Amino acid sequence: DARVTQTPRHKVTEMGQEVTMRCQPILGHNTVFWYRQTMMQGLELLAYFRNRAPLDDSGMPKDRFSAEMPDATLATLKIQPSEPRDSAVYFCASGLVGAGGFQPQHFGDGTRLSIL
Amino acid sequence: AQKITQTQPGMFVQEKEAVTLDCTYDTSDPSYGLFWYKQPSSGEMIFLIYQGSYDQQNATEGRYSLNFQKARKSANLVISASQLGDSAMYFCAFRGNAGNMLTFGGGTRLMVKP
Repeated sequence: DARVTQTPRHKVTEMGQEVTMRCQPILGHNTVFWYRQTMMQGLELLAYFRNRAPLDDSGMPKDRFSAEMPDATLATLKIQPSEPRDSAVYFCASGLVGAGGFQPQHFGDGTRLSIL
Repeated sequence: AQKITQTQPGMFVQEKEAVTLDCTYDTSDPSYGLFWYKQPSSGEMIFLIYQGSYDQQNATEGRYSLNFQKARKSANLVISASQLGDSAMYFCAFRGNAGNMLTFGGGTRLMVKP
């Protein structure tokens, strides 16, 4: 089965360091999403792309977070500088829009990020 | 903005019995989709089942089925013949017309007793 691949699975780093998370969406999917999961806020959308163009990043703290999609097989989420409150699980998901109906999004296994 | 409510923070069910997990939503969108995901303790998010607002039949997928009541704005997940491996968090999610993103409920933790 096709899968969304996220790296790294776990990341522990000190406050102030740059963190880069990578995602390879399912081949043929035209939308990519970044979600964050915390105990307090649950699952919330950070940003998403359609055909590699950013469509919504209103959920992201703009001063420290950036999301890009340099090509159709790679999406990145960067935090610089990182802060302890960024500790969370970050999920990438991909889906197909325009194929009729509301197609499900498929999630990667997530990156568990801990900022000390 | 859409609001998704899962009123059961935690539930127990006996192995081999059926269980219903509740989900209600609030929207004025004319068409939308409702999704259920399973998150086991290992952390991944697994897509289970989908219901479109204009679908005439309730969705079914193996032991999973959706009890969709459009007028009541509810989309409850029914798991038949529960198994120990069904113990997990279950999230209901909504996608409307305004964008492609999902809005998630707070989740229900299901625990299956042997």
